Amino acid sequence: GAVVSQHPSWVICKSGTSVKIECRSLDFQATTMFWYRQFPKQSLMLMATSNEGSKATYEQGVEKDKFLINHASLTLSTLTVTSAHPEDSSFYICSARDNPTRNYGYTFGSGTRLTVV
Amino acid sequence: GDSVTQMEGPVTLSEEAFLTINCTYTATGYPSLFWYVQYPGEGLQLLLKATKADDKGSNKGFEATYRKETTSFHLEKGSVQVSDSAVYFCALRAGGYNKLIFGAGTRLAVHP
Repeated sequence: GAVVSQHPSWVICKSGTSVKIECRSLDFQATTMFWYRQFPKQSLMLMATSNEGSKATYEQGVEKDKFLINHASLTLSTLTVTSAHPEDSSFYICSARDNPTRNYGYTFGSGTRLTVV
Repeated sequence: GDSVTQMEGPVTLSEEAFLTINCTYTATGYPSLFWYVQYPGEGLQLLLKATKADDKGSNKGFEATYRKETTSFHLEKGSVQVSDSAVYFCALRAGGYNKLIFGAGTRLAVHP
């Protein structure tokens, strides 16, 4: 079945630095990818939707300059947390959709736990 | 806007007990509905789905029926196991990009 590889699985960084998280579809082409963040014991909150070759669409309240999303190919999307601060510490999960004609093709990565110290 | 409401957890059950996790939704049009499961330290896995009214999704002993009249998609299992301990998310698919909107999640703990 469809597989999405997300890495790193965890990362610790210093406040003020930037962190890049990669999400790769291994055996299918992902025209659309979604990025979520999940705070402890809370639900996934959609941050943005990205389509290959175009700018990401951010949800209300998400800073596009802080959370840079790039979807340069059909198999790779990246989320860069710029100038990270402790409040950015969270669990980030990507989800990929393949061919739009497939109705149920949401495949999730295993997530990245970001800790900013 | 579109939203999903789940019963708050945690839900604590003994093995072989009956499970119900309530989920209701608000959406324009006719969304598809999903249940996802998240085991500790892992990403989400699709558990079951339903795409239209009266559809019943089922998998691994879990079931949920798409009830349009009550805008609900409650998750049930007749006999839970310790291995079912996880967080369960109800979700609907909406929007032009078919984005998924999740409920808050319900943590289930099953004890021997």
